[in-house]
Amino acid sequence: KAGVTQTPRYLIKTRGQQVTLSCSPISGHRSVSWYQQTPGQGLQFLFEYFSETQRNKGNFPGRFSGRQFSNSRSEMNVSTLELGDSALYLCASSLIGTEQETQYFGPGTRLLVL
Amino acid sequence: AQSVTQPDIHITVSEGASLELRCNYSYGATPYLFWYVQSPGQGLQLLLKYFSGDTLVQGIKGFEAEFKRSQSSFNLRKPSVHWSDAAEYFCAVGAVGNFNKFYFGSGTKLNVKP
Repeated sequence: KAGVTQTPRYLIKTRGQQVTLSCSPISGHRSVSWYQQTPGQGLQFLFEYFSETQRNKGNFPGRFSGRQFSNSRSEMNVSTLELGDSALYLCASSLIGTEQETQYFGPGTRLLVL
Repeated sequence: AQSVTQPDIHITVSEGASLELRCNYSYGATPYLFWYVQSPGQGLQLLLKYFSGDTLVQGIKGFEAEFKRSQSSFNLRKPSVHWSDAAEYFCAVGAVGNFNKFYFGSGTKLNVKP
């Protein structure tokens, strides 16, 4: 079974631009979570989607948004990029998103904002 | 609110030596606890998890962890470290109803000396 895939793997943008990152969960998984990883703040939860609905979100500004499609694939969007948005963005999937399930992480998308 | 503390930023051990990585959590109820490992350029891989029951849990790659409620700790151990264990290790806590919203510690980077 293929793992969680994220595209693109690397991205360079300039301040003020917007970016869209994509995540394809493991086949059959309907819950997708997004995390931001930076050296200063570590791993921080962005949001979680299940059946195209956002069920939980972290403490990030409204510039960070996401969505999930009917095939469970998910995208996250960051508008008006700031230098501090440079990070590794990780996506994780699980069957239905209960706390007892194992989350499977993708390799991440590394975003550099110049 | 939940939080996780990993007091050791870097640890260096010799190959074949034993390892213990510390993790302390803060959570009012019984937490769901996880240890993940991240190799350079990779996503996170689950080593083990604790929900309830036996406080000593076994994971993959020869790792184990012990939940100690009185100390709010969930330390990761391995009796004999291999050079391939060099990576960054993250402790995480989840909670009922949080839909995969994990709180991660800041990580411990493990170096293994030959």
